[in-house]
Amino acid sequence: AAGVIQSPRHLIKEKRETATLKCYPIPRHDTVYWYQQGPGQDPQFLISFYEKMQSDKGSIPDRFSAQQFSDYHSELNMSSLELGDSALYFCASSSTDRANEKLFFGSGTQLSVL
Amino acid sequence: DQQVKQNSPSLSVQEGRISILNCDYTNSMFDYFLWYKKYPAEGPTFLISISSIKDKNEDGRFTVFLNKSAKHLSLHIVPSQPGDSAVYFCAASTLISSGSARQLTFGSGTQLTVLP
Repeated sequence: AAGVIQSPRHLIKEKRETATLKCYPIPRHDTVYWYQQGPGQDPQFLISFYEKMQSDKGSIPDRFSAQQFSDYHSELNMSSLELGDSALYFCASSSTDRANEKLFFGSGTQLSVL
Repeated sequence: DQQVKQNSPSLSVQEGRISILNCDYTNSMFDYFLWYKKYPAEGPTFLISISSIKDKNEDGRFTVFLNKSAKHLSLHIVPSQPGDSAVYFCAASTLISSGSARQLTFGSGTQLTVLP
């Protein structure tokens, strides 16, 4: 079965650079979530989209922005990268149509800021 | 201020015995609770969930218990198998008021090691 696809798997950037992370949800899922997991920390909610509109915002820095496109894939744009942005970024998707409470996670993008 | 807490960072259990992972929460608005399992270099995978209207949900070797008055839930794995060795995250969910999407708040995880 198709899963949540994230790209790239690994990304190395330098301070003050920009990065774009991509997420392709499970087909027919209409909701996408982004989570950030720092080393030794639990996943922290960043932002979510429902039907291409932002539905909720968590601890996402102003330097980050995200959007969901017409094909439901989502991109997380990160600018002026800082060392503290080094983390594993997970995307998850769900289908609200089926009242499905479960989130399905991708394998994550490991971002290293040098 | 952590709304979902897993106070045991690690747990070791002998194969065949019961594993009990605990989770406490503070936000009474949470109405749905989930357990996720995570292997290294992979995203969390859904294991089992429970709605706040229930106090127990069972799926094979996995049972989740919810004590709303104590704001406590636990995951029981019986019998434990070496393949169960992973990090287990407790998560709590509440309906986002702006839409029908839900947001998960995760605990910090418990590393379960099942010894053969």
